[in-house]
Amino acid sequence: QVQLVESGGGVVQPGGSLRLSCAAFGFAFSNYGMHWVRQAPGKGLEWVASLYYDGSNEHYADSVKGRFTISRDNSKNTLYLQMNSLRAEDTAVYYCAREVTDQWLEHLDYWGQGTLVAVSS
Amino acid sequence: DIQMTQSPSSLAASVGDRITISCRASQSISDYLNWYQQKPGKSPRLLIYGASILQSGVSSRFSGSGSGTEFTLSISSVQPEDFATYYCQQTYSTPRITFGQGTRLEIK
Repeated sequence: QVQLVESGGGVVQPGGSLRLSCAAFGFAFSNYGMHWVRQAPGKGLEWVASLYYDGSNEHYADSVKGRFTISRDNSKNTLYLQMNSLRAEDTAVYYCAREVTDQWLEHLDYWGQGTLVAVSS
Repeated sequence: DIQMTQSPSSLAASVGDRITISCRASQSISDYLNWYQQKPGKSPRLLIYGASILQSGVSSRFSGSGSGTEFTLSISSVQPEDFATYYCQQTYSTPRITFGQGTRLEIK
């Protein structure tokens, strides 16, 4: 069955870096666009970044543009999020999610369990 | 960016009640509107896409309606497992998608 498994979260000091990974199982990863969505403690969902199925067309939320980089390795069925210059406000659970399109209607049908990133000195 | 505003922010209901959650977009998004359910400590779950299309495996007591800027999520008879937070999401401006702030459904 479809499964997305995030890893790489942890505690990091302000200004530091982390790389998150999202391993995909049970579907043809190279056929799907992918997204990162985050949720700060006690807050709502915030879209972070997205990437087309073939690794082209990266898009970022203004809050992370220039600091975060989304990428993928289709040979390893893995999505990445490189996070640099981390700030306290980046503290959140980070989810990866698969995008599907049905009748030109995009939606995120599978989500990982999330990985916690805590930025603190 | 397109802003999504949900109302109410929280809602108390009893088992068996019919409830409705509203979502308003800052500009017309046609029917590019999805609804998700999230329980504490869990990842979001897709309920409805395209404003009214029920995702496979989701109970038929959930329904969605609307188009343009005004949308609603309804639960025909709230069950104990439905107490959760609900988010709307627009994909009109995909891949730059945005979520509403969430509506928490609580037990009365």
